Amino acid sequence: EAQVTQNPRYLITVTGKKLTVTCSQNMNHEYMSWYRQDPGLGLRQIYYSMNVEVTDKGDVPEGYKVSRKEKRNFPLILESPSPNQTSLYFCASSLGEATNEKLFFGSGTQLSVL
Amino acid sequence: AQKVTQAQTEISVVEKEDVTLDCVYETRDTTYYLFWYKQPPSGELVFLIRRNSFDEQNEISGRYSWNFQKSTSSFNFTITASQVVDSAVYFCALSEVGAGTASKLTFGTGTRLQVTL
Repeated sequence: EAQVTQNPRYLITVTGKKLTVTCSQNMNHEYMSWYRQDPGLGLRQIYYSMNVEVTDKGDVPEGYKVSRKEKRNFPLILESPSPNQTSLYFCASSLGEATNEKLFFGSGTQLSVL
Repeated sequence: AQKVTQAQTEISVVEKEDVTLDCVYETRDTTYYLFWYKQPPSGELVFLIRRNSFDEQNEISGRYSWNFQKSTSSFNFTITASQVVDSAVYFCALSEVGAGTASKLTFGTGTRLQVTL
């Protein structure tokens, strides 16, 4: 089944403790992206990747890191999480290198930073 | 800079009513794509439609229809004879396809639709 898999689904952590949210897609998609969803703000792009080893910042990249060593994986790393990073996170992928194709989303990761 | 405005934060209707969700966008590009996504209470995001800037034809898919008007920079979504299963948050999104912006997708803040019996 074609899908984007995110793990974990829920994560509670404490300020400053490094964490990684994994994202994997099995559709051989070029483009992958991370978004965070906050009440009243919609979805905002954190980072995106147009192909292996090609990543760039979105609208809200501060406090986050990403890597794209393999086409299928695009982990989101929070080196030193802070409470303002408490949010619902979505990974997404699409077939083309641009966002003119529809996005396939993961199930989301609800992160709470205490 | 591109921008998407969904001015309706929440809409509540009774089942079988028609409802229109508004989406107004701003862009300097002549080539762009517009999308609608649905987020039901379970939380996943589901693609509904994509429209490019050169195709102003309205689209109908079952009870769903979309009205794209470049003159008013709007891409509105209408649900006819709404059902409880339509209850969700709906997001409008804009993708510019100019040089250096091909990777940017901007979402609106979403409209929460509540359909009651």
